[in-house]
This record gives sequence, structure tokens and C-alpha cells, in this order.
Amino acid sequence: AQSVTQLGSHVSVSEGALVLLRCNYSSSVPPYLFWYVQYPNQGLQLLLKYTSAATLVKGINGFEAEFKKSETSFHLTKPSAHMSDAAEYFCAVSDRGYSTLTFGKGTMLLVSP
Amino acid sequence: NAGVTQTPKFQVLKTGQSMTLQCAQDMNHEYMSWYRQDPGMGLRLIHYSVGAGITDQGEVPNGYNVSRSTTEDFPLRLLSAAPSQTSVYFCASSYGQGLPDGYTFGSGTRLTVV
Repeated sequence: AQSVTQLGSHVSVSEGALVLLRCNYSSSVPPYLFWYVQYPNQGLQLLLKYTSAATLVKGINGFEAEFKKSETSFHLTKPSAHMSDAAEYFCAVSDRGYSTLTFGKGTMLLVSP
Repeated sequence: NAGVTQTPKFQVLKTGQSMTLQCAQDMNHEYMSWYRQDPGMGLRLIHYSVGAGITDQGEVPNGYNVSRSTTEDFPLRLLSAAPSQTSVYFCASSYGQGLPDGYTFGSGTRLTVV
């Protein structure tokens, strides 16, 4: 079974600083990978997805992620954090013939002024 | 608006009661699934369906039943609620093969079992 590891349950940055959220997956075959964001008391919104095209994927709100097969990683970055980025972020990998997702445990991003 | 609709948004149950969480989508998606979200655990798959009449178990299926009689609807039934089922439940749907648009999630049902 697939597994997804997100390093750090909480990440704190200052407004304007680089955001780096880490995600590693376990599959030996490059899967399809996703990053979702969840704002308080809301559902999940797709930020970006990797589907075996370009390894550098650009998403909404200035986020991007790079797929690195050799490191089995799909880290999420944003050059300059904004207060509105404060939320919980989930990395996920497709599973079961791509019919479902396996999620990491999530990383809460805290942005201070 | 097109999307995934979950009802109710909030529910309090007593231990032993049963209830059905509703999920409907109007995007003609083949794939639908139910997840539960617990603090520090991420989202875990309960049950999923790859089309009408086809369902299968996920990672944490015990205590839950599903059926898929139509493409649009995928209800989740709690047979005899237990405090361990206190959680936020999300329904999701996607096109066949789960790609390329990712999965669309409902806004969730917050369930408390007392």
C-alpha cells in the first residue's frame, strides 16, 4: 500500500519568507501526486497535481511543487508567504488504480506578521 | 453550483443510534469515496465506489456501510454509532481513472457521538 510522509506537523514562517512543506511517498512506481489546502472549518481545495508531465508543477496562489523521482519527494514551495496562506496542507498520492487517494497527516502552516 | 454536496453539515448522535450521511455530485463523476478526518491523522479512506453498483472497503471500513444505486449519490451509513466515530467526514468524487482533474471534495459533515 502507498504511504505518504509529511515532515513536520506544524511549520511557522514570517510573512514574506519562503514556504517549504515536505512530502515523501513510498511507491516504487511514480504515482500521481496532489497537494490540497484546507482552511479552518472548510473542505479541501486542490492546490496542484503531478501527473507525469512536467516535474515542476505550478498551482494556485503562487504555490509550486517539484517531483523528484530519485528522492521520492514532492515538496511544496512558495517564495513569499502571505498571511492568507495560513491553513493546513495535505499531500496525497493516488491509489487503487487511481480511484482513491492516500493522504499524509497534514502540515499546519502558521504565518506571523 | 456544480460540485459535491454533503448533508447534514453537523450532527450529534447518541451511542448506538444509526444515521446516514448523504453525498451527491452533479458532475457525472464515476468515482466516489468517503474519508474521515481526525486530528493528526490526515484523511483516511472508509469506502469507495468506481461506479453505480460497485463498492469496496478502504482503510477504516468497520462500523460503516455504503451503497451506490445511482451515479450521483453515495450515502454513508453508520450502523450503531460509537464515540470513536466522532470525526469530520468528507465525500469526494472524480472522473474515471481519478485524473486529470483530481478529486472534488464536499464541505464535510462534522459528527459528534456522545
